[in-house]
Amino acid sequence: AQSVTQLDSHVSVSEGTPVLLRCNYSSSYSPSLFWYVQHPNKGLQLLLKYTSAATLVKGINGFEAEFKKSETSFHLTKPSAHMSDAAEYFCVVRHGSSNTGKLIFGQGTTLQVKP
Amino acid sequence: GAGVSQSPSNKVTEKGKDVELRCDPISGHTALYWYRQSLGQGLEFLIYFQGNSAPDKSGLPSDRFSAERTGGSVSTLTIQRTQQEDSAVYLCASSFSGGLETQYFGPGTRLLVL
Repeated sequence: AQSVTQLDSHVSVSEGTPVLLRCNYSSSYSPSLFWYVQHPNKGLQLLLKYTSAATLVKGINGFEAEFKKSETSFHLTKPSAHMSDAAEYFCVVRHGSSNTGKLIFGQGTTLQVKP
Repeated sequence: GAGVSQSPSNKVTEKGKDVELRCDPISGHTALYWYRQSLGQGLEFLIYFQGNSAPDKSGLPSDRFSAERTGGSVSTLTIQRTQQEDSAVYLCASSFSGGLETQYFGPGTRLLVL
């Protein structure tokens, strides 16, 4: 069965400093992994996805994530945080190896950005 | 273009009543998903429609929950005899097809059962 674990429920950074949101996955198959962001009172938005191509995936708004099979990790990073990055971030794995798009979400990490 | 829309945006109901939540997917998207976001359970999958295939209902928490998708477009999620534990935000998403296609989420319906 597939699952994801987000290692931090809350991360606080200062504006202009790097962001690191940690995610470990468990999967019986070669996983497809995603990061979604949810701003307050807004819908979920896809940041980036890994689908067994390049292990370093670049997403929107300067975010990127690296798939590390040996560590079963898919951490999300950004070199310099902006105030607008404050939101809830979800690490997600696609269920199973079939064509289903069913997604399994982590518990979420709240990113706080201080001025 | 128009994104995924959901209605109502908020719904307050009394325990024991039935509710219907509506989702309008992006035009041309053949796959449609329902998820639930609650404080205790996080974000969890409920049901998945793909074209004319039988829906994947494996995430529905009880037989009080059902969903249909008419004409391959609009979907309705129905909760019968609502309970307080059904209080959550119900999210709908659609994608061009299933699999690895990006899922676009609607703003959700916030359901409160008193």
